[in-house]
Amino acid sequence: GNSVTQMEGPVTLSEEAFLTINCTYTATGYPSLFWYVQYPGEGLQLLLKATKADDKGSNKGFEATYRKETTSFHLEKGSVQVSDSAVYFCAATEGSLRSSNDYKLSFGAGTTVTVRA
Amino acid sequence: DTGVSQNPRHKITKRGQNVTFRCDPISEHNRLYWYRQTLGQGPEFLTYFQNEAQLEKSRLLSDRFSAERPKGSFSTLEIQRTEQGDSAMYLCASSKTGAGTFGSGTRLTVV
Repeated sequence: GNSVTQMEGPVTLSEEAFLTINCTYTATGYPSLFWYVQYPGEGLQLLLKATKADDKGSNKGFEATYRKETTSFHLEKGSVQVSDSAVYFCAATEGSLRSSNDYKLSFGAGTTVTVRA
Repeated sequence: DTGVSQNPRHKITKRGQNVTFRCDPISEHNRLYWYRQTLGQGPEFLTYFQNEAQLEKSRLLSDRFSAERPKGSFSTLEIQRTEQGDSAMYLCASSKTGAGTFGSGTRLTVV
């Protein structure tokens, strides 16, 4: 199956700083790629996604571009807020949606981000 | 639509006991997934259903783990003869098309 590697944390930033969390994947097919966020005490929430090469997912000021040539899907936000403090997970579908059309996901280990006022 | 509901939220059990968790998916979602998340790690896929059919169960961690979705609606995950290593968060997700919606999980502690 696929595997996902993401930047280890924890990451501590000041408000309005630039955030990047690196994510790379290994895959035999054409996975869809996701970023999920887990706020303290809450469940996983889908933050953004991209389903094919060069797609850019965006939401709440976060962006990530599906780079097939570097097998990467790095998450970025230009100006973080205290409310962005959370654990961020990169994920990829296992196998190719062209063949399976299911959404079994392989997750990275998560990156804890703390934003200080 | 109240999202994906998982019960109980927390379960403490003694080693060797059986436990069962329930997941109620979003009503029109035909796919249902179970994951396990241990501390400091991302969720790990266990099994999934399309309607009542269990399409993959080879990733269940051992033969002590089983899952059912008898009428294609709610699902249960059972762990028999629990071990301390089973302590984790068990997550359920459901989907119709696209990425799944996750529940808040059941945290299992085996003492």
